[in-house]
Amino acid sequence: DAKTTQPPSMDCAEGRAANLPCNHSTISGNEYVYWYRQIHSQGPQYIIHGLKNNETNEMASLIITEDRKSSTLILPHATLRDTAVYYCIVRVATEGRGSTLGRLYFGRGTQLTVWP
Amino acid sequence: GAGVSQSPSNKVTEKGKDVELRCDPISGHTALYWYRQSLGQGLEFLIYFQGNSAPDKSGLPSDRFSAERTGGSVSTLTIQRTQQEDSAVYLCASSYHGQGNYGYTFGSGTRLTVV
Repeated sequence: DAKTTQPPSMDCAEGRAANLPCNHSTISGNEYVYWYRQIHSQGPQYIIHGLKNNETNEMASLIITEDRKSSTLILPHATLRDTAVYYCIVRVATEGRGSTLGRLYFGRGTQLTVWP
Repeated sequence: GAGVSQSPSNKVTEKGKDVELRCDPISGHTALYWYRQSLGQGLEFLIYFQGNSAPDKSGLPSDRFSAERTGGSVSTLTIQRTQQEDSAVYLCASSYHGQGNYGYTFGSGTRLTVV
């Protein structure tokens, strides 16, 4: 089962920041937070991941609360091409005996619609 | 190649026939995953290969489903005696599990339609 909770849908005006929330209140100490997105008819695309510090890359920023029970993905200047389903996932950091590293649970995600 | 390649991109088959779906992972990626996505649904984990370890088959929905990964590279997902409920997009992903934490790279999927 997915260990995350996300709103089913969100809207954002083009050029504005899109802030997508995710709750992961049962996250374990060795679990990272990953974000993927899936544009219609394509395979999911990796966006960003983090453990406890905020992270930024060319696509987005990830803000993780101090207690790590929630996070926010920020698309600073949303474009029409950012319309997609965004998935927040938690997974273990290391692989070992009995690890479930391979089991990414995608849940239902958030449908982000960017409008002109 | 530069990305994960899946073939065929589309497959229409008659109920009861067997099908084989192919995945070419990114060169050097040690882990390979199969997921499927039914229309309007999320991704369902099927199977996971990591190096020479025994695969994690816990997500396979029935014994009609099987998968192999030859030489630690190409993988084939086989569905025997296909049923209409097998219709879905089958997605393959690969990743490198070494130092650090790497994301998955997904292919574009094979859209399977059982008629």
